[in-house]
Amino acid sequence: AAGVIQSPRHLIKEKRETATLKCYPIPRHDTVYWYQQGPGQDPQFLISFYEKMQSDKGSIPDRFSAQQFSDYHSELNMSSLELGDSALYFCASSVLSRNEQFFGPGTRLTVL
Amino acid sequence: ELKVEQNPLFLSMQEGKNYTIYCNYSTTSDRLYWYRQDPGKSLESLFVLLSNGAVKQEGRLMASLDTKARLSTLHITAAVHDLSATYFCAVDLGGSEKLVFGKGTKLTVNP
Repeated sequence: AAGVIQSPRHLIKEKRETATLKCYPIPRHDTVYWYQQGPGQDPQFLISFYEKMQSDKGSIPDRFSAQQFSDYHSELNMSSLELGDSALYFCASSVLSRNEQFFGPGTRLTVL
Repeated sequence: ELKVEQNPLFLSMQEGKNYTIYCNYSTTSDRLYWYRQDPGKSLESLFVLLSNGAVKQEGRLMASLDTKARLSTLHITAAVHDLSATYFCAVDLGGSEKLVFGKGTKLTVNP
């Protein structure tokens, strides 16, 4: 069965650089969620999109932005990267009416 | 604000033993999820509990939900080393809402 695809899987950046993370949801899933998981922490919700519109927002820094495109893939854009942004970033997708979220493999971002 | 508390946060157990992980949450919800995470890996869905009294079992793991007590349990029977991982419970408020996770229980099963 098709799963959520995230790219890249690993990313190394310098402080103050920018990064773009991509997420391709399971086919026919209309909702995408982004989570950030710091080392030894639980995943924290960042933002979600339903049918290309932002549906909910969590503790996402102003330096981050995201969008969902017409093909339902989503991108998380991160600017002015800080050391504290080093984390695993998960994308999850769901079908609105069924709600269970399926997680991708994650992107490990390291900021040096 | 929805708060989700898991305990214990760390659990070291011998193979063959039984134990229970608890997940309490602060706001009414009838949707609770259990995930397993191996180090550096993704979140693997274990159980989806959608109603009061729901009980689900898969292998040596059994999960239950009591929405009135706002409590879910994950029971481990006759633990084996392969169960070593971090287990998270997560709650949503219904209808494509964000998940709020507990801090996770890091389980180590010793031979």
